[in-house]
Amino acid sequence: QVQLVQSGAEVKKPGASVKVSCKASGYTFTSHHMHWVRQAPGQGLEWMGIINLSGGGTSYAQKFQGRITMTKDTSTSTVYMELSSLRSEDTAVYYCARLEKSPGSKYYFDHWGQGTPVTVSS
Amino acid sequence: DIQMTQSPSSLSASVGDRVTITCRASQRIAGYLNWYQQKPGKAPKVLIYAASSLQSGVPSRFSGSGSGTDFSLTIDSLQPEDFATYYCQQSYSNPTFGQGTKLEIK
Repeated sequence: QVQLVQSGAEVKKPGASVKVSCKASGYTFTSHHMHWVRQAPGQGLEWMGIINLSGGGTSYAQKFQGRITMTKDTSTSTVYMELSSLRSEDTAVYYCARLEKSPGSKYYFDHWGQGTPVTVSS
Repeated sequence: DIQMTQSPSSLSASVGDRVTITCRASQRIAGYLNWYQQKPGKAPKVLIYAASSLQSGVPSRFSGSGSGTDFSLTIDSLQPEDFATYYCQQSYSNPTFGQGTKLEIK
């Protein structure tokens, strides 16, 4: 069965960087794009960006441009999301989410990682 | 970015009730609309994709409808496990989510 297993909780100081991993299993790694979505405490869901796992291309939400990098390691079926210049507002749970394509060519997130809490505090 | 607005933000209902949550997009998105359920401390789970298609394994008491800018999620005969927060999400362009609707027990 499809599984997305993320790395563990992180605590970082303002200005630092964090790198979260998401290991995929149960399907052909390169067959689906992967997205990252975050959720601040008590808040809603915020899309961060996408990585194309067959070509490696990326697209990021405007809000994170310049301080986010998504990468992949096909040999281990793992995707990474690195966020730099952290500030307190980046405290959130970070999720990877697999993109599925419906028969009518509409897209949705069909599998999610368990989430990685990241706390930014001095 | 396409803005998604859900209503209500919160809702109290009883087991057995029928409830409807609505979602409005700031521009037409055809049927590129998905619904997710999220329980505390858990990742979201897709219920409905492409506005009205039921994800495999999701109970048939969940249904979705709409097109263009206005969409709705209906839950028939609420069960105890349905009390959660629900989000709509558009996939017409870069994904955006509604602010969520928290469904609580009355």
